[in-house]
Amino acid sequence: ETGVTQSPTHLIKTRGQQVTLRCSSQSGHNTVSWYQQALGQGPQFIFQYYREEENGRGNFPPRFSGLQFPNYSSELNVNALELDDSALYLCASSLNTGSHYGYTFGSGTRLTVV
Amino acid sequence: AQSVTQLGSHVSVSEGALVLLRCNYSSSVPPYLFWYVQYPNQGLQLLLKYTTGATLVKGINGFEAEFKKSETSFHLTKPSAHMSDAAEYFCAVVSSSGGSYIPTFGRGTSLIVHP
Repeated sequence: ETGVTQSPTHLIKTRGQQVTLRCSSQSGHNTVSWYQQALGQGPQFIFQYYREEENGRGNFPPRFSGLQFPNYSSELNVNALELDDSALYLCASSLNTGSHYGYTFGSGTRLTVV
Repeated sequence: AQSVTQLGSHVSVSEGALVLLRCNYSSSVPPYLFWYVQYPNQGLQLLLKYTTGATLVKGINGFEAEFKKSETSFHLTKPSAHMSDAAEYFCAVVSSSGGSYIPTFGRGTSLIVHP
C-alpha cells in the first residue's frame, strides 16, 4: 500500500503571497488532516476533511483553507502569508474520522516565508 | 478541553539503558492516547496507541506504554536503548468534540542516545 505523499517538499515564498500545498492520502483512507509544526514544537491541528467536507478545525485564521477531492487527496491553501507561517506542514490520513485508527503522516512540506 | 504535557524537552541515556519518556494529559472525556516518533526531516510515525482494553500497550521497536487513568499518564518506556532510537517523540491525546476527533500533541521530547 502507498503511504501519504506531500508536495512540494520545500517552498520559499514572500510575505503576502499565497501558497498551495498538496497531499495524497494513503490508499483506502478517506480522512485527511493538516498540521503546522513550527521549529521545536509539536504539530498543531489546522483542520480535517472527511469525504470532501471540513470536519473539524483548530485555532487557525480563515486565510488557512483547504479542499478534499473525490479521490481523497487534499490541498492546503494559505493566503496573505506572514513570516510566522514558516513551518513544516504535515498531512495525515486515516480511515474514517475515528481516531482509534491512528494517523499515517507524510514527510511534510517545509515552507519558508521571507 | 484537552492538553498534553511532556516532561523534559530532552532526555539523554546511554546505549543499553532504560528509556522513560513522560506524558501527562488532561481530558474531560475518556481519551485515545498515542505516541509518535519523528526522525529528522521526516513525518511522524505511529509507535503505539491506547484506545480501550488492556492498559499496557506494546508498540513497534520494543517500545511500550501504560495508561494510568488515576495518574492521567501515558509514559513511554523501552528496556534497552539503541542508537537508532535517537529521535523526537510526541505524545498525543484525542477526544471527541462535537463528533470530530481533534488531536492535541505535546511539545515533544528529544531522545539522545550516547554510545
